[in-house]
Formats: sequence, C-alpha cells, structure tokens
Amino acid sequence: KNEVEQSPQNLTAQEGEFITINCSYSVGISALHWLQQHPGGGIVSLFMLSSGKKKHGRLIATINIQEKHSSLHITASHPRDSAVYICAPREAGSYQLTFGKGTKLSVIP
Amino acid sequence: SQTIHQWPATLVQPVGSPLSLECTVEGTSNPNLYWYRQAAGRGLQLLFYSVGIGQISSEVPQNLSASRPQDRQFILSSKKLLLSDSGFYLCALHGGGGGARRNTEAFFGQGTRLTVV
Repeated sequence: KNEVEQSPQNLTAQEGEFITINCSYSVGISALHWLQQHPGGGIVSLFMLSSGKKKHGRLIATINIQEKHSSLHITASHPRDSAVYICAPREAGSYQLTFGKGTKLSVIP
Repeated sequence: SQTIHQWPATLVQPVGSPLSLECTVEGTSNPNLYWYRQAAGRGLQLLFYSVGIGQISSEVPQNLSASRPQDRQFILSSKKLLLSDSGFYLCALHGGGGGARRNTEAFFGQGTRLTVV
C-alpha cells in the first residue's frame, strides 16, 4: 500500500510569498498528480509528472523518483491561490491513484 | 478533451431514503471511472472503480453500490441512506482509453455534496 504524506497540513502566507508544499510516498510510481481543490469542492489537475520538473505560469512541480518525493512551488502567491492542494501518486503498473490528505493554503492580501 | 458531468451539485436526503448520483463522460471511450468520497476535513476515499461496462470493483464494504450501464455513464446508488453517508462525492476519470488515446491525465466532476438528515 502506498503511504502518501504531505506537509504542511495548513499554510498561511502573505501575498507575494514563495510557497512550497511537499509530498512523499512509499512505493514505486509511474506518475504523480498535483491537484487543486477550491472551497466549492471541485478538483482540477494542475500537473502530471513522472520525472524532473514542470512549470505552468507561477506554479512549478518537481519530482525525484529515486527519493520518492515531489514538491509544488508557487511563486509570487496571490489570494486566488487559496485552496487545498493534493498530491496523488499513481503506482507503477496501475492507473489507480493514492491521495494525500491535502495542504490547505490561505494567502492573505 | 475529456469532460465529466456530475449531478446534482447538492442534495439533502432523509435517513432511509434511496440515492442515485449520475456521472457522464465526454471526449473519450472506454475510460476507467471512479467514485470517491471526501468526508469533512479528510482525504479522498476510493469507493468504486470500473474499467468497462458492467465491471465494478468495490474498495470499501458499505451500503452503497455502483453500476456502469453504458461506457460513458457511471452511477452511484444506495437503497437506504445512513447518516454516515453524508459527504462530498466525486466522480473521476483516469486511465483507460486505448493506445494513443490512453487517459493518462486525471479529470474530476464538480462533485455532489450530500447531507443525510
């Protein structure tokens, strides 16, 4: 069973700050998703990555497969970034996802 | 691209009443479909998944059931709701498809917030 740990659980930041959310997992994976859940509940996929680094605007995701660790970075954070961010690795040989418990981010103006 | 339609968005049901939540998918064929539940303040829990018509796998024993009557339709049901069934239910798509159309990305419906009273 894949054990997924996210840290921190809660994060409050001032607008403009650089933010890092970490995710570690315990088994070999083929890919990892970073998801964003807004207060209304809907979930969108931000990234799917299997190696290295991806960047979309102010969001950057990195993964180290050997160390079983991924990070999500937000540069120049904005109040609209306030949401729950969820890490979801996909085990090798499967399309099923295991979800972290999420990191609740609040960005204060 | 793939989209997921899930309804209703909110639902308040009395204990003992039946439930039917519907999820339909566009933009792909033969997708792997999932029902997840998220209790307040907790992570996503897998309830059911389906790799094809009529094929349902259950992860958690409970009074819920799922059906896949068509390739792009996935239904979550209950004959008699319990208070503990309250939560946020999400339909999702990841995996399935075929060949070059394999669904490697993950897509989620907007969710149904169910309150059992």
